[in-house]
Amino acid sequence: GQNIDQPTEMTATEGAIVQINCTYQTSGFNGLFWYQQHAGEAPTFLSYNVLDGLEEKGRFSSFLSRSKGYSYLLLKELQMKDSASYLCAVMDSNYQLIWGAGTKLIIKP
Amino acid sequence: DGGITQSPKYLFRKEGQNVTLSCEQNLNHDAMYWYRQDPGQGLRLIYYSQIVNDFQKGDIAEGYSVSREKKESFPLTVTSAQKNPTAFYLCASSKGEGDPSPLHFGNGTRLTVT
Repeated sequence: GQNIDQPTEMTATEGAIVQINCTYQTSGFNGLFWYQQHAGEAPTFLSYNVLDGLEEKGRFSSFLSRSKGYSYLLLKELQMKDSASYLCAVMDSNYQLIWGAGTKLIIKP
Repeated sequence: DGGITQSPKYLFRKEGQNVTLSCEQNLNHDAMYWYRQDPGQGLRLIYYSQIVNDFQKGDIAEGYSVSREKKESFPLTVTSAQKNPTAFYLCASSKGEGDPSPLHFGNGTRLTVT
């Protein structure tokens, strides 16, 4: 079956760095997405990786290793507003999205 | 500004009643989706549509129905047959089949059935 695993919850300190991991097993691969979702709100797109390596966008970076079925989202210089859930989703060979359950990130002052 | 509008934000219904959730987009996207989100679970696909007048069941379609009479609109009806309808419902759109472009989401409708 198809499966996406990510930690349920993580805690970090304001100003620090945090890495949120995502491992996947899917039928084919057409890219991996990261979304941010604040409580009670819509998910918003953060990043898309389809080739191995690191993609950097300001304070956020996303890494992909297709051979290992592994990705991570790296958040630097954490701010209180980064407290949210981070969703990992993989697009399979049928271009259908398979979603992880999300990682709730708690930022402490 | 283009976007997706879901209404209402909160909806309360009595058990046994059908209820329709609205979703409208002005992004000129071909594909539209309905997801259900429950605590501790990933987004689960209810229905999706790649073109007007056509739609497919997702993973949890039982107890739900949709229509796609216009490109811009993809309403979801939660019927009385849905055994556990209380949830957060998200509508999304994307450019279309075979395109790995990101989904754009509406702000969601929180449905409570008592």
